[in-house]
Parts: sequence; C-alpha cells; structure tokens
Amino acid sequence: SAVISQKPSRDICQRGTSLTIQCQVDSQVTMMFWYRQQPGQSLTLIATANQGSEATYESGFVIDKFPISRPNLTFSTLTVSNMSPEDSSIYLCSVSGTASGAFFGQGTRLTVV
Amino acid sequence: GIQVEQSPPDLILQEGANSTLRCNFSDSVNNLQWFHQNPWGQLINLFYIPSGTKQNGRLSATTVATERYSLLYISSSQTTDSGVYFCAVDRLGTYKYIFGTGTRLKVLA
Repeated sequence: SAVISQKPSRDICQRGTSLTIQCQVDSQVTMMFWYRQQPGQSLTLIATANQGSEATYESGFVIDKFPISRPNLTFSTLTVSNMSPEDSSIYLCSVSGTASGAFFGQGTRLTVV
Repeated sequence: GIQVEQSPPDLILQEGANSTLRCNFSDSVNNLQWFHQNPWGQLINLFYIPSGTKQNGRLSATTVATERYSLLYISSSQTTDSGVYFCAVDRLGTYKYIFGTGTRLKVLA
C-alpha cells in the first residue's frame, strides 16, 4: 500500500486568508483525490487532481475556492482560499487504483477563526 | 446519485462484545471499502470488498452485491475499536468514493 504524507496536520487560520495543504505519496500513482469532512459529518469528494491538466471538481466545489495543483505523479496541493469559519473541516487526500482500493493521508484539521 | 446508508448510527458496547454494522447502497457498485476513523481523524483502510467475504483477525466483512448491502463484523471488541466506521462505494470504477453516513462506535472497558 502507498504511504501518504499530508502537511500540515493541523492549523488555525484567520478568516480571509488562504492555506495550502500538501500531499506527498511514496510511489507514483495515477489517481489522487481531495476530500472534505465537516465537523460531525461524513466525507465528501472535492475534486480529482489530474497530473498535467486542470483538476476535475465535484458539484458544489469551484476552482476559485479550492485551487489544486498536481505537478507530478507523487505530489499534489489543495489551497483553501479566502477562508471563513464554515471552511473549518478535516481535509484528506487519497490515492487509489490498486487492487486494495483507496488509501488516505492522515488529514489536515483546519480551524478558521 | 447513489445513496449510502449505514446502521446503526451509534453503538455502545462493553469490551468483549460482538457487533454487526450494516451498509446499504441504492445502486450497483464497482468498488466498496470499509474504513475506521480513529479519534485523531485518521482514516484506516479495513477492507476492500466489492463482493464476497474477507476476514482479518477479529474483523470480517461480507458484501452481497446483488442485494446491495455490506456487513462489517467486529468480534471480541476492544476499547481501541472505538471511533467511526464508514463504508464507501464507487459506481463507475473510478475510485471517486461516496461515503456512507457512518456508525459511531464506543467500546467501554
């Protein structure tokens, strides 16, 4: 299984600012995804990070708010822009496409004050 | 879109008890996984089980794809089993998972 490292593990940010979350995988993977988990809720897919092209966003999520980069097959970033308290969530990256299914990073716990 | 419902939503057990968690889904799926989210928020992969039965120690899972449900069995529960259990499904084989509503488990010593 892939080893996925996310940074930062947690952060407290001021409203109106932006935070960039990094996801590093120890092997090349085709599929990388970003999820959000709001407090007390289940996980929701934000977007698919595509290597060499623009990310594919799910309904309700837009590039201006959640810009994503994927410069190579082992790394991706998610930026949460112009944050408000409603953006307080756990953000998780995921890789998949193996016979064992999907694996997740340890998550970034974001609090916006 | 596909609906994924889990039951029960909450479960409290005494250490050593057994339990069964259920995941119902409203359409056929290509991939199905069970995850355990620990109190620190980390999502741990328990089973990749689009069909059939698998066992791993005290845990086992069964998916009956034709009847659109999956079961997770926990035997001889321990306090470290506490957390939230999610099933997640993918209809198209893209690994774009839709997560269930979750079962919050608390195991008491």
